[in-house]
Amino acid sequence: EAQVTQNPRYLITVTGKKLTVTCSQNMNHEYMSWYRQDPGLGLRQIYYSMNVEVTDKGDVPEGYKVSRKEKRNFPLILESPSPNQTSLYFCASRNGGGAGSYEQYFGPGTRLTVT
Amino acid sequence: GQNIDQPTEMTATEGAIVQINCTYQTSGFNGLFWYQQHAGEAPTFLSYNVLDGLEEKGRFSSFLSRSKGYSYLLLKELQMKDSASYLCAVRVGSNYQLIWGAGTKLIIKP
Repeated sequence: EAQVTQNPRYLITVTGKKLTVTCSQNMNHEYMSWYRQDPGLGLRQIYYSMNVEVTDKGDVPEGYKVSRKEKRNFPLILESPSPNQTSLYFCASRNGGGAGSYEQYFGPGTRLTVT
Repeated sequence: GQNIDQPTEMTATEGAIVQINCTYQTSGFNGLFWYQQHAGEAPTFLSYNVLDGLEEKGRFSSFLSRSKGYSYLLLKELQMKDSASYLCAVRVGSNYQLIWGAGTKLIIKP
């Protein structure tokens, strides 16, 4: 089954404790992305990757890191989480880097609470 | 700047028709997407428009006018399961990034 998986699905942590949210896709997609979703603000892109070892900042990258060592995996790292990073996080992937109706496939989401 | 506007919330009756509007002001345009998102779940793809006009897909249709910076999603024969948020997103830039609207929460009443 074609899918994007994220782990953990729910996480409650404390300020300053490093954490990693994993993301994996089995569709051989080149493009992967991380979003956060907050009430009234819509989806905001944190980082994206066009291919292995190619990553770039989205709209709200501060406080986050990513890596793309393998095509299927795109972990999101919070080195020192703060309460303003409490949010719902989605990983997404799609095929291709150009035009065309390339729909994005989303993971199930990770609800993070930082106290 | 980049801006996408959608109504925050709409209410409709089961079996009726509803139109959800989306207006955008973006630097560049490479297509417009509509996604459906049920509460607590991931967004799922509904439609894609890159040329002006109407795209029909079953009970759902999406319209685009690039000159007006305007799109709408039309849902016919509404069912209770259509209660969800509907997200409008515009693809921009050389890397084809998506700019997202805040979403429209659609409430269906019996």
